Amino acid sequence: DSGVTQTPKHLITATGQRVTLRCSPRSGDLSVYWYQQSLDQGLQFLIQYYNGEERAKGNILERFSAQQFPDLHSELNLSSLELGDSALYFCASSVVGLAANEQFFGPGTRLTVL
Amino acid sequence: AQKVTQAQTEISVVEKEDVTLDCVYETRDTTYYLFWYKQPPSGELVFLIRRNSFDEQNEISGRYSWNFQKSTSSFNFTITASQVVDSAVYFCALTPAGGTSYGKLTFGQGTILTVHP
Repeated sequence: DSGVTQTPKHLITATGQRVTLRCSPRSGDLSVYWYQQSLDQGLQFLIQYYNGEERAKGNILERFSAQQFPDLHSELNLSSLELGDSALYFCASSVVGLAANEQFFGPGTRLTVL
Repeated sequence: AQKVTQAQTEISVVEKEDVTLDCVYETRDTTYYLFWYKQPPSGELVFLIRRNSFDEQNEISGRYSWNFQKSTSSFNFTITASQVVDSAVYFCALTPAGGTSYGKLTFGQGTILTVHP
């Protein structure tokens, strides 16, 4: 158990819908990262937050947005869902936003868009 | 741009065999970090090792060992005396040590390792 929690574990929805994925980092970790794992694209970095502020952006679609709240939990919002958004979404956290630190990954949220 | 290539898509071995997973990376950064992660069938990503670009010493942890060669941009992972529980997908990853992209892990495509009893 990494100490990072993600809810829900599974999510099944329809095209065009909007969903919110939630992540609680390990106690004391200020940085949160979101990754998408799909068969087509593999594991891809989406976005990073550090202490409430966006720190780095990767291949995140405009239909996706994220935020980190004062209690450090983070939410990833996916809207106008398409079939291709079906994937495993991971959240990771680290002590500070430094590459040297190990990123602890949550169990993931499996999103299925029908 | 950074790139990580894991040449082997799938490897199948019999228990107790040694197996090496290859990882080759490309980066323009002079300082960077390399990682290996394991993804068992349950789906979570488990951290195995972190290596910084300044440290070319090989590392051994139990049955696991890592060979980092900066000259060939490789960071290979060997499992000695493999066990069925080693069956998983293994990912090599890279991130710069500074700049705007630090913390952003670039992953290889993964190597599916199957260890047969």
